[in-house]
Amino acid sequence: GAGVSQTPSNKVTEKGKYVELRCDPISGHTALYWYRQSLGQGPEFLIYFQGTGAADDSGLPNDRFFAVRPEGSVSTLKIQRTERGDSAVYLCASSWTSGANVLTFGAGSRLTVL
Amino acid sequence: GQQVMQIPQYQHVQEGEDFTTYCNSSTTLSNIQWYKQRPGGHPVFLIQLVKSGEVKKQKRLTFQFGEAKKNSSLHITATQTTDVGTYFCAGLQGAQKLVFGQGTRLTINP
Repeated sequence: GAGVSQTPSNKVTEKGKYVELRCDPISGHTALYWYRQSLGQGPEFLIYFQGTGAADDSGLPNDRFFAVRPEGSVSTLKIQRTERGDSAVYLCASSWTSGANVLTFGAGSRLTVL
Repeated sequence: GQQVMQIPQYQHVQEGEDFTTYCNSSTTLSNIQWYKQRPGGHPVFLIQLVKSGEVKKQKRLTFQFGEAKKNSSLHITATQTTDVGTYFCAGLQGAQKLVFGQGTRLTINP
């Protein structure tokens, strides 16, 4: 596609529920990143994919968070047993390759956990 | 891990005044990128600096990379209302992970 597409744009859920957030990167971009941004803060790195594999998942806060990219294109961030502290905007970005290339961000998925 | 710090956290200026934000890393950076996020929007790439001491200009914006490749700055000359937003620097940790600073939020009084 022309840009990075993220769905849903807004998600309100209750504490303890399971949530999936989807990212469709720019066609041909091999690198895909997930970041989390809380109000007034910079984007916080969660995980990075090169192709289908998670090259660096050191930013995932705990084992309730998991992400996949089975065919090297679309990625899904999965959050189990959501907590109020998970409320944030989840940003996806893609680039042509890893390392020094420029990130193109999607509009984000705003998650609110009640 | 690498820490990227930005100052100031907030800056309010009168339209036409200059603005500068500073970025400091605890480790040497292979390169540094700058992004702008408008209110309610997402980060948008502005520029990338790679060489020690590099200076790049985009119209009224001047970006500088320190000689030791541990700090960077963004200077805007004669701010306009369209410059409103939050400016982030981001440095590479290793070869893959881009670490963002906390940003400098610029507001402008017209």
